[in-house]
Amino acid sequence: RKEVEQDPGPFNVPEGATVAFNCTYSNSASQSFFWYRQDCRKEPKLLMSVYSSGNEDGRFTAQLNRASQYISLLIRDSKLSDSATYLCVVMNQAGTALIFGKGTTLSVSS
Amino acid sequence: DADVTQTPRNRITKTGKRIMLECSQTKGHDRMYWYRQDPGLGLRLIYYSFDVKDINKGEISDGYSVSRQAQAKFSLSLESAIPNQTALYFCATSDLWSGTGDLETQYFGPGTRLLVL
Repeated sequence: RKEVEQDPGPFNVPEGATVAFNCTYSNSASQSFFWYRQDCRKEPKLLMSVYSSGNEDGRFTAQLNRASQYISLLIRDSKLSDSATYLCVVMNQAGTALIFGKGTTLSVSS
Repeated sequence: DADVTQTPRNRITKTGKRIMLECSQTKGHDRMYWYRQDPGLGLRLIYYSFDVKDINKGEISDGYSVSRQAQAKFSLSLESAIPNQTALYFCATSDLWSGTGDLETQYFGPGTRLLVL
């Protein structure tokens, strides 16, 4: 089992849609979780950290289920500018490095 | 000015050549990283450094070496480039705690596109 797995997509949705991305991780001892966003040919940037209690930032909601080793990202009211690749990221057990999923591609159309 | 810069931004080289990719940061972070990104494989860690005297191998260090010349500078070398090292290379920095209280936020440079012929 790969350490961090994501559905690669692409997800093609119209503006205004709600879309959810899922991610699973293999190491139950992982402590820190993140979603990064990467635009085409650009560097990844932190979108949001994922906390055990779940957290929200505007239209974005992240959830963590430690029992199922599952992370999700919900985007409400999708905008054209949300089109990007979303990377699920987990810190390794030693706390020394981040492990990146391969990313899920989102395309929002008008 | 960008906080994390990489030079060169694009590079074409031939098999067997030695090349160096450079990374500089003005964020004052102790931790620096080198990744490569390949289509369908995601970001993979090559080397990382937690301070000037600390160098650690990542997931795919074979064929690469690094030098941490100063807190702000971390260079990646390909001693003898081969075609399967063609990739997009990213440098990143982090500090254990960011100013917002988030853990281990990594800040990436703009990347270097390397083509080995």
